[in-house]
Amino acid sequence: KAGVTQTPRYLIKTRGQQVTLSCSPISGHRSVSWYQQTPGQGLQFLFEYFSETQRNKGNFPGRFSGRQFSNSRSEMNVSTLELGDSALYLCASSPHGGNGYTFGSGTRLTVV
Amino acid sequence: AQSVTQLGSHVSVSEGALVLLRCNYSSSVPPYLFWYVQYPNQGLQLLLKYTSAATLVKGINGFEAEFKKSETSFHLTKPSAHMSDAAEYFCAVSGSGGSNYKLTFGKGTLLTVNP
Repeated sequence: KAGVTQTPRYLIKTRGQQVTLSCSPISGHRSVSWYQQTPGQGLQFLFEYFSETQRNKGNFPGRFSGRQFSNSRSEMNVSTLELGDSALYLCASSPHGGNGYTFGSGTRLTVV
Repeated sequence: AQSVTQLGSHVSVSEGALVLLRCNYSSSVPPYLFWYVQYPNQGLQLLLKYTSAATLVKGINGFEAEFKKSETSFHLTKPSAHMSDAAEYFCAVSGSGGSNYKLTFGKGTLLTVNP
């Protein structure tokens, strides 16, 4: 059974640009969540999607957005990148949410 | 609101010694509790979870944790540490029900295993 796949693994972007990260969940999983991990703030919840609807949202500015497609694949977008957006972005999937999430290996975003 | 406190950002043990990583939580709803492990440059791997069934939870790689409601604790233990256990460990809490399905993590505990 394939795990959670995140692409790309590494990204370097310039301040002011925008970026799109992709996540393919485990087959059959309908809940996809996104987390940001930084040395200073630790692991912080961005948002969760279930059956193409955003079900939960963390305390991040509107520059951070996401969506989920009918096949449960998810993308997150960050517009007008800032240096502080440099982080490891982790995607996690679950059959329904709540009973434990399986995480991908993450996308390491560096903003210069 | 939910929160997690992990006591000790860095724990160092000798190979073969007991591993004890502490986690206390705060939750306004019945919690689900998790321990995850992260190796360098990797994502998070689920070690074990408590979802209101047995209070003593056994996980992978010989780890276990006990849910103690009266102490709001969910400490992670392993009787005998291996070199391969060296990693960062995260305790997390979530609520039950769709609107509560988000993980709140502790700051993490870096486990070092000395030969």
